[in-house]
Amino acid sequence: GAVVSQHPSRVICKSGTSVKIECRSLDFQATTMFWYRQFPKQSLMLMATSNEGSKATYEQGVEKDKFLINHASLTLSTLTVTSAHPEDSSFYICSAARTDQPQHFGDGTRLSIL
Amino acid sequence: DAKTTQPPSMDCAEGRAANLPCNHSTISGNEYVYWYRQIHSQGPQYIIHGLKNNETNEMASLIITEDRKSSTLILPHATLRDTAVYYCIPQNEKLTFGTGTRLTIIP
Repeated sequence: GAVVSQHPSRVICKSGTSVKIECRSLDFQATTMFWYRQFPKQSLMLMATSNEGSKATYEQGVEKDKFLINHASLTLSTLTVTSAHPEDSSFYICSAARTDQPQHFGDGTRLSIL
Repeated sequence: DAKTTQPPSMDCAEGRAANLPCNHSTISGNEYVYWYRQIHSQGPQYIIHGLKNNETNEMASLIITEDRKSSTLILPHATLRDTAVYYCIPQNEKLTFGTGTRLTIIP
C-alpha cells in the first residue's frame, strides 16, 4: 500500500521554539496533503489542506501565521509550528492523497512543549 | 458533511468475525463511505471504501445498505492486532473524523 513518512516522530522542546515537521509520500505523487491535530482521548481534527504549489487552506480557528504550511513538491509538505507554547503540545498527523484515491496517513509527530 | 453514528465500543473474540455498524443517514449521493482505523499512538490506516456496491479487499468487507443510510465493516477473522478505534467517514473531499468505535479483540 501507499507509504507516507512523517519526521520527526517525537519532538520535545522549550517554549518559544519553532518546530518543523516533514511529511513525504514515498511511492506516489500526492496532489493534496492534509494536516491534522489530535489531543489526548480526542479524535483527529483537520487543520489545513495543501495543494502543491499553492497556498494552504486552513480550517476555521486554525491560525495560519502560527502553523505555516509549505507544499513545495508532489512528495513533500512541511508544517512549522512557530513560537510553540505548551498549549500547542499535541499529536500532529499528515496525510497524502492523489485524485480519487484514499488518503494515506503518516505515523504522526508527538510534540511536547515544555 | 454527513454525520455518522457508531457504537462507542465493542468487544469481539479472537478468531471470530467483527461486525462494526455505522449509520450515515444524511449521506449525499456523491459521498463515498470510507473506513479507517487508528491503533494507539499511530496514524490512521485506510481499510476500505465504497459508494453503492459491497466491497471486499484483503483486510475487510464493506456492506452498504441499498438506501446507503448505513454500512457495516466486517473483519472476517479478528486478531489481537485488530484492536483499534474504527472510523466510518462519508467523504466527498475532506475527511471528518468522529469519535469512532473502540474495538477490543478478546483472546
